Amino acid sequence: GDSVTQMEGPVTLSEEAFLTINCTYTATGYPSLFWYVQYPGEGLQLLLKATKADDKGSNKGFEATYRKETTSFHLEKGSVQVSDSAVYFCALSNSGGGADGLTFGKGTHLIIQP
Amino acid sequence: EADIYQTPRYLVIGTGKKITLECSQTMGHDKMYWYQQDPGMELHLIHYSYGVNSTEKGDLSSESTVSRIRTEHFPLTLESARPSHTSQYLCASSPTGNNQPQHFGDGTRLSIL
Repeated sequence: GDSVTQMEGPVTLSEEAFLTINCTYTATGYPSLFWYVQYPGEGLQLLLKATKADDKGSNKGFEATYRKETTSFHLEKGSVQVSDSAVYFCALSNSGGGADGLTFGKGTHLIIQP
Repeated sequence: EADIYQTPRYLVIGTGKKITLECSQTMGHDKMYWYQQDPGMELHLIHYSYGVNSTEKGDLSSESTVSRIRTEHFPLTLESARPSHTSQYLCASSPTGNNQPQHFGDGTRLSIL
């Protein structure tokens, strides 16, 4: 079946550092890929998405490129802020028209220190 | 932001009680989902629905049940709560179409004593 593997945390960085959170996937067909962010006490918010190979999703300074050859969708940000502290989930959707839910990675807890 | 609402946000209740967690969305989405999120953050799909009168079990077996009588409403019920049901429950919805993103509510944090 489909699966998503992302780097385990916590990841601790200083403010203004460069961020990479690795995500790789296993799926048949042509999944869509997503990054979600979960702030403390809240639900998940869609951060960015990519629907086909070589697509780049971007939002709020974050970006990720859908690499089919390496089955990866790594999240990057050039300069992180304390407010970026949260849990980040990589996910894929391969529903083929059905209603199956997203397949999530286990989440990466990001801590940004001032 | 997505218009999907979950109540209550927090619930602490004793063993054996019947519980209903509410989820409503105002976006007219056909597809709705329930996820269980464990303390280690991992999310597991427990129920989903294609639309009115449609309910399906997800990847993780759950003693809870769901109903979908109206498009906007997807409640989850536990007939007799147990400590093993303690978790965070997240509701989500998505529009019709392949591989659409899901919109999440803020979750219900359930503690069974």
